[in-house]
Amino acid sequence: AQSVTQLDSHVSVSEGTPVLLRCNYSSSYSPSLFWYVQHPNKGLQLLLKYTSAATLVKGINGFEAEFKKSETSFHLTKPSAHMSDAAEYFCVVTPMDSSYKLIFGSGTRLLVRP
Amino acid sequence: GAGVSQSPSNKVTEKGKDVELRCDPISGHTALYWYRQSLGQGLEFLIYFQGNSAPDKSGLPSDRFSAERTGGSVSTLTIQRTQQEDSAVYLCASRRGDEQYFGPGTRLTVT
Repeated sequence: AQSVTQLDSHVSVSEGTPVLLRCNYSSSYSPSLFWYVQHPNKGLQLLLKYTSAATLVKGINGFEAEFKKSETSFHLTKPSAHMSDAAEYFCVVTPMDSSYKLIFGSGTRLLVRP
Repeated sequence: GAGVSQSPSNKVTEKGKDVELRCDPISGHTALYWYRQSLGQGLEFLIYFQGNSAPDKSGLPSDRFSAERTGGSVSTLTIQRTQQEDSAVYLCASRRGDEQYFGPGTRLTVT
């Protein structure tokens, strides 16, 4: 079965410093992986997705993620944090069937300090 | 264009009552999903509709939960005889290609 593990429940960075949110996946095949963001009292928004076309994926708001099969990782990064990046981030995998139902990690709450 | 909408945005109900939650997907999206977000369980899949196919109910936690989708568009999630552990945010999403678009959710509180 497919699953994702987000290694940090909370990450705190200073504004202007790099962001790293870690995610490891478990899958017997090359999965489809996503990162979603949820701002307080708002809906989930897709940040970026990996579907085997390219290992380095660029998303919205300056975020990117790199798929590393050897490490079974899909970490989310951003060179310089902005106050508006404070939110909860979810790493997500979909099963091999055609349902595309999403299997969520437990989430990482990003705090950005001024 | 219009996104996924859900109603009500908040619902408070007494234990044992039935509730109905509504989802209006993005026009033209044939796939619709319900998820639940709770403190104890995180975000979990509940049910999936694709066109006229039988729904995938594999994520429903008990037989008190059911959902239907009328005319391939609007969906209703029904919880019968609500329990306190049903308190959560219920999220609906519709899909185009491999991307799901989420509604704002319905926050259900069972007292």
